[in-house]
Amino acid sequence: EVQLVESGGGLVQPGGSLRLSCAASGFTFSSYSMNWVRQAPGKGLEWVSYISSSSSTIYYADSVKGRFTISRDNAKNSLYLQMNSLRAEDTAVYYCARDGIAVAGPLYAFDIWGQGTMVTVSS
Amino acid sequence: QSALTQPASVSGSPGQSITISCTGTSSDVGSYNLVSWYQQHPGKAPKLMIYEGSKRPSGVSNRFSGSKSGNTASLTISGLQAEDEADYYCCSYAGSSWVFGGGTKLTVL
Repeated sequence: EVQLVESGGGLVQPGGSLRLSCAASGFTFSSYSMNWVRQAPGKGLEWVSYISSSSSTIYYADSVKGRFTISRDNAKNSLYLQMNSLRAEDTAVYYCARDGIAVAGPLYAFDIWGQGTMVTVSS
Repeated sequence: QSALTQPASVSGSPGQSITISCTGTSSDVGSYNLVSWYQQHPGKAPKLMIYEGSKRPSGVSNRFSGSKSGNTASLTISGLQAEDEADYYCCSYAGSSWVFGGGTKLTVL
């Protein structure tokens, strides 16, 4: 079964740090680009960051640039998000999501999602 | 990047068709044929329903269809069923980033 499982969420004080992990299974992780997408309580989806299959290309949303770092370990089938200088507005469920692949190439769409991990930034 | 614009809510009766619009700009929806649509039930992860504007992933009902004209994409659901009641989000690739719409709550009356 194709699966993504996030972990590492929790309660952290403003200015603090947290590292999220996403464990992939059921597919060849090293062949796929990956993303983090977040959803604040009662709000919509917000794309956070992208990393290509080989880690050669990385993108960030302006809202997290300079504070968050995306990385991956293809040997461990794992995706990470290091979050520093956390703010109250970073409070959200964080999803890892796979960028799908078709015969013609990447889909630029998120075809597999994890169940999410909650991050709460509060004093 | 500003969020794409979706109506906050739409509703329809079982068996009817509804359309959800998604308006962006020439920097996102208008520049790329890479609009995707997601269905999200309460407390659940989003599910991909449409990619590349009009293509359906395997397993998604053909009652769901997508289109695009200029800077506006649309999702149409025909033959509404009770289980279609959910939040729907559009998303567009915008060249080194992705931008989502604010979401539309679909109510099946």
